[in-house]
Amino acid sequence: ETGVTQSPTHLIKTRGQQVTLRCSSQSGHNTVSWYQQALGQGPQFIFQYYREEENGRGNFPPRFSGLQFPNYSSELNVNALELDDSALYLCASSPRGQPRDSPLHFGNGTRLTVT
Amino acid sequence: RKEVEQDPGPFNVPEGATVAFNCTYSNSASQSFFWYRQDCRKEPKLLMSVYSSGNEDGRFTAQLNRASQYISLLIRDSKLSDSATYLCVVNHAGNMLTFGGGTRLMVKP
Repeated sequence: ETGVTQSPTHLIKTRGQQVTLRCSSQSGHNTVSWYQQALGQGPQFIFQYYREEENGRGNFPPRFSGLQFPNYSSELNVNALELDDSALYLCASSPRGQPRDSPLHFGNGTRLTVT
Repeated sequence: RKEVEQDPGPFNVPEGATVAFNCTYSNSASQSFFWYRQDCRKEPKLLMSVYSSGNEDGRFTAQLNRASQYISLLIRDSKLSDSATYLCVVNHAGNMLTFGGGTRLMVKP
Protein backbone atom coordinates (compact mmCIF):
# COMPACT_ATOMS: atom_id res chain seq x y z
CA GLU A 1 0.00 0.00 0.00
CA THR A 2 1.39 3.38 -1.04
CA GLY A 3 -0.94 5.45 1.15
CA VAL A 4 -2.18 7.32 -1.94
CA THR A 5 -5.88 6.86 -2.48
CA GLN A 6 -7.89 7.84 -5.54
CA SER A 7 -11.59 8.07 -6.17
CA PRO A 8 -13.65 7.02 -7.90
CA THR A 9 -12.17 3.76 -9.17
CA HIS A 10 -14.16 3.80 -12.39
CA LEU A 11 -16.18 6.47 -14.12
CA ILE A 12 -18.18 6.69 -17.33
CA LYS A 13 -18.93 10.09 -18.84
CA THR A 14 -20.34 11.42 -22.07
CA ARG A 15 -18.40 13.55 -24.54
CA GLY A 16 -18.70 17.23 -23.62
CA GLN A 17 -19.28 16.61 -19.93
CA GLN A 18 -16.97 17.62 -17.09
CA VAL A 19 -15.31 15.29 -14.59
CA THR A 20 -13.53 15.65 -11.25
CA LEU A 21 -11.10 13.04 -9.99
CA ARG A 22 -9.77 13.01 -6.44
CA CYS A 23 -6.52 12.03 -4.79
CA SER A 24 -5.54 11.85 -1.14
CA SER A 25 -1.82 12.05 -0.63
CA GLN A 26 0.26 9.92 1.64
CA SER A 27 0.67 11.34 5.13
CA GLY A 28 3.43 13.95 5.22
CA HIS A 29 3.59 14.32 1.44
CA ASN A 30 2.97 17.88 0.24
CA THR A 31 3.43 17.44 -3.53
CA VAL A 32 0.92 15.72 -5.79
CA SER A 33 1.44 14.73 -9.42
CA TRP A 34 -1.12 13.56 -11.96
CA TYR A 35 -0.54 11.31 -14.96
CA GLN A 36 -2.73 10.11 -17.82
CA GLN A 37 -2.25 6.62 -19.24
CA ALA A 38 -4.08 5.81 -22.44
CA LEU A 39 -4.54 2.18 -23.38
CA GLY A 40 -1.32 0.61 -24.65
CA GLN A 41 0.84 3.62 -23.77
CA GLY A 42 3.01 4.71 -20.90
CA PRO A 43 1.76 7.29 -18.40
CA GLN A 44 2.12 10.93 -19.41
CA PHE A 45 2.73 13.74 -16.93
CA ILE A 46 -0.22 16.15 -16.68
CA PHE A 47 0.80 18.49 -13.84
CA GLN A 48 2.15 18.73 -10.33
CA TYR A 49 0.88 20.72 -7.36
CA TYR A 50 2.82 22.05 -4.39
CA ARG A 51 1.53 24.46 -1.77
CA GLU A 52 -1.80 24.64 -3.56
CA GLU A 53 -0.22 25.94 -6.77
CA GLU A 54 0.62 24.32 -10.07
CA ASN A 55 4.34 23.59 -10.00
CA GLY A 56 4.87 22.11 -13.43
CA ARG A 57 2.77 21.05 -16.39
CA GLY A 58 3.03 18.59 -19.25
CA ASN A 59 1.66 18.97 -22.74
CA PHE A 60 -2.04 19.07 -21.86
CA PRO A 61 -4.63 21.69 -22.87
CA PRO A 62 -6.12 24.18 -20.37
CA ARG A 63 -9.31 22.15 -20.06
CA PHE A 64 -7.21 19.94 -17.77
CA SER A 65 -6.99 21.80 -14.48
CA GLY A 66 -6.32 20.97 -10.89
CA LEU A 67 -6.52 22.01 -7.30
CA GLN A 68 -4.59 21.20 -4.20
CA PHE A 69 -6.10 21.72 -0.77
CA PRO A 70 -4.46 22.71 2.54
CA ASN A 71 -4.43 19.04 3.59
CA TYR A 72 -2.43 18.34 0.38
CA SER A 73 -5.20 16.32 -1.25
CA SER A 74 -5.84 17.17 -4.88
CA GLU A 75 -8.42 17.20 -7.62
CA LEU A 76 -8.03 16.83 -11.37
CA ASN A 77 -10.76 18.47 -13.41
CA VAL A 78 -11.33 17.88 -17.08
CA ASN A 79 -13.83 20.03 -18.99
CA ALA A 80 -15.43 19.39 -22.35
CA LEU A 81 -14.52 15.71 -22.33
CA GLU A 82 -13.34 14.13 -25.55
CA LEU A 83 -13.28 10.48 -26.50
CA ASP A 84 -9.46 10.52 -26.34
CA ASP A 85 -9.64 11.48 -22.66
CA SER A 86 -10.57 7.87 -21.95
CA ALA A 87 -7.64 6.62 -19.90
CA LEU A 88 -6.33 5.54 -16.53
CA TYR A 89 -5.60 8.63 -14.44
CA LEU A 90 -2.86 8.14 -11.87
CA CYS A 91 -1.94 10.23 -8.87
CA ALA A 92 1.31 10.13 -6.92
CA SER A 93 2.40 12.09 -3.88
CA SER A 94 5.86 12.91 -2.65
CA PRO A 95 7.52 15.08 -0.02
CA ARG A 96 8.97 18.31 -1.36
CA GLY A 97 12.70 18.13 -1.75
CA GLN A 98 12.96 14.38 -1.63
CA PRO A 99 16.16 13.08 -3.22
CA ARG A 100 16.06 13.04 -6.99
CA ASP A 101 16.60 9.33 -7.14
CA SER A 102 13.59 8.62 -4.95
CA PRO A 103 10.85 6.97 -6.98
CA LEU A 104 7.19 7.92 -7.07
CA HIS A 105 4.53 5.58 -5.78
CA PHE A 106 1.13 5.71 -7.41
CA GLY A 107 -2.41 5.30 -6.22
CA ASN A 108 -4.66 2.65 -7.74
CA GLY A 109 -5.86 5.06 -10.40
CA THR A 110 -9.22 6.14 -11.77
CA ARG A 111 -10.31 4.55 -15.03
CA LEU A 112 -12.30 7.10 -17.05
CA THR A 113 -14.34 6.06 -20.06
CA VAL A 114 -15.79 8.75 -22.31
CA THR A 115 -18.57 7.65 -24.65
CA ARG B 1 11.05 11.35 -31.45
CA LYS B 2 9.83 10.19 -28.04
CA GLU B 3 11.85 11.21 -24.99
CA VAL B 4 12.00 7.62 -23.73
CA GLU B 5 11.86 4.79 -26.24
CA GLN B 6 11.28 1.11 -25.65
CA ASP B 7 10.59 -1.88 -27.85
CA PRO B 8 6.90 -2.61 -27.19
CA GLY B 9 7.34 -6.38 -27.67
CA PRO B 10 5.71 -8.65 -26.80
CA PHE B 11 8.60 -10.79 -25.68
CA ASN B 12 7.37 -14.36 -25.42
CA VAL B 13 9.79 -16.50 -23.43
CA PRO B 14 9.65 -19.91 -21.73
CA GLU B 15 9.95 -20.26 -17.97
CA GLY B 16 13.55 -20.23 -16.88
CA ALA B 17 14.75 -18.10 -19.78
CA THR B 18 16.84 -14.96 -19.47
CA VAL B 19 15.36 -11.89 -21.12
CA ALA B 20 16.73 -8.39 -21.59
CA PHE B 21 14.92 -5.12 -22.22
CA ASN B 22 16.50 -1.94 -23.46
CA CYS B 23 15.49 1.67 -23.32
CA THR B 24 16.98 4.89 -24.69
CA TYR B 25 16.33 8.44 -23.51
CA SER B 26 16.93 11.73 -25.27
CA ASN B 27 17.36 14.26 -22.47
CA SER B 28 21.00 14.27 -21.41
CA ALA B 29 20.07 16.29 -18.31
CA SER B 30 18.08 13.36 -16.94
CA GLN B 31 18.99 12.74 -13.34
CA SER B 32 17.43 9.53 -12.15
CA PHE B 33 16.16 6.38 -13.73
CA PHE B 34 13.78 3.59 -12.82
CA TRP B 35 12.09 0.47 -14.05
CA TYR B 36 8.43 0.09 -13.13
CA ARG B 37 6.30 -3.00 -13.58
CA GLN B 38 2.65 -2.75 -14.54
CA ASP B 39 0.15 -5.58 -14.46
CA CYS B 40 -2.92 -5.46 -16.66
CA ARG B 41 -5.33 -2.69 -15.61
CA LYS B 42 -3.30 -1.88 -12.49
CA GLU B 43 -1.12 1.05 -11.50
CA PRO B 44 2.63 0.99 -12.23
CA LYS B 45 4.75 -0.23 -9.33
CA LEU B 46 8.42 0.42 -8.79
CA LEU B 47 10.59 -2.55 -9.73
CA MET B 48 13.97 -0.97 -9.14
CA SER B 49 16.02 2.18 -9.45
CA VAL B 50 18.87 2.21 -11.95
CA TYR B 51 22.38 3.39 -11.21
CA SER B 52 25.46 3.86 -13.38
CA SER B 53 27.32 1.30 -11.34
CA GLY B 54 24.65 -1.24 -12.13
CA ASN B 55 22.44 -2.78 -9.51
CA GLU B 56 20.91 -6.15 -8.85
CA ASP B 57 17.85 -7.27 -6.95
CA GLY B 58 17.52 -11.03 -6.94
CA ARG B 59 16.88 -12.17 -10.50
CA PHE B 60 16.75 -8.60 -11.80
CA THR B 61 19.75 -6.54 -12.92
CA ALA B 62 19.55 -2.97 -14.14
CA GLN B 63 22.24 -0.96 -15.87
CA LEU B 64 22.61 2.65 -16.93
CA ASN B 65 24.97 3.98 -19.58
CA ARG B 66 24.88 7.77 -19.37
CA ALA B 67 27.24 8.28 -22.30
CA SER B 68 24.94 6.31 -24.62
CA GLN B 69 21.75 7.38 -22.81
CA TYR B 70 20.77 3.76 -22.56
CA ILE B 71 19.11 1.77 -19.78
CA SER B 72 18.73 -1.98 -19.57
CA LEU B 73 16.90 -4.55 -17.48
CA LEU B 74 17.89 -8.21 -17.34
CA ILE B 75 15.60 -10.84 -15.89
CA ARG B 76 17.12 -14.24 -15.16
CA ASP B 77 15.26 -17.49 -14.59
CA SER B 78 11.93 -16.02 -15.74
CA LYS B 79 8.83 -16.99 -13.78
CA LEU B 80 5.24 -17.05 -14.96
CA SER B 81 4.59 -14.26 -12.47
CA ASP B 82 7.06 -12.01 -14.30
CA SER B 83 4.52 -11.61 -17.11
CA ALA B 84 3.71 -7.89 -17.15
CA THR B 85 4.56 -4.65 -18.91
CA TYR B 86 7.89 -3.11 -17.94
CA LEU B 87 8.13 0.66 -18.07
CA CYS B 88 11.39 2.54 -18.41
CA VAL B 89 11.18 5.82 -16.50
CA VAL B 90 13.36 8.92 -16.45
CA ASN B 91 13.30 11.88 -14.06
CA HIS B 92 15.00 15.06 -15.25
CA ALA B 93 13.42 17.55 -12.89
CA GLY B 94 11.37 17.65 -9.73
CA ASN B 95 9.79 14.20 -9.86
CA MET B 96 8.04 14.96 -13.16
CA LEU B 97 8.61 11.55 -14.63
CA THR B 98 8.82 10.65 -18.29
CA PHE B 99 7.74 7.12 -19.12
CA GLY B 100 8.51 4.95 -22.09
CA GLY B 101 5.66 3.18 -23.79
CA GLY B 102 6.44 -0.08 -22.02
CA THR B 103 7.68 -3.50 -23.06
CA ARG B 104 5.29 -6.40 -22.68
CA LEU B 105 6.68 -9.69 -21.37
CA MET B 106 4.83 -12.98 -21.51
CA VAL B 107 6.44 -15.95 -19.78
CA LYS B 108 4.99 -19.28 -20.84
CA PRO B 109 5.16 -22.72 -19.20
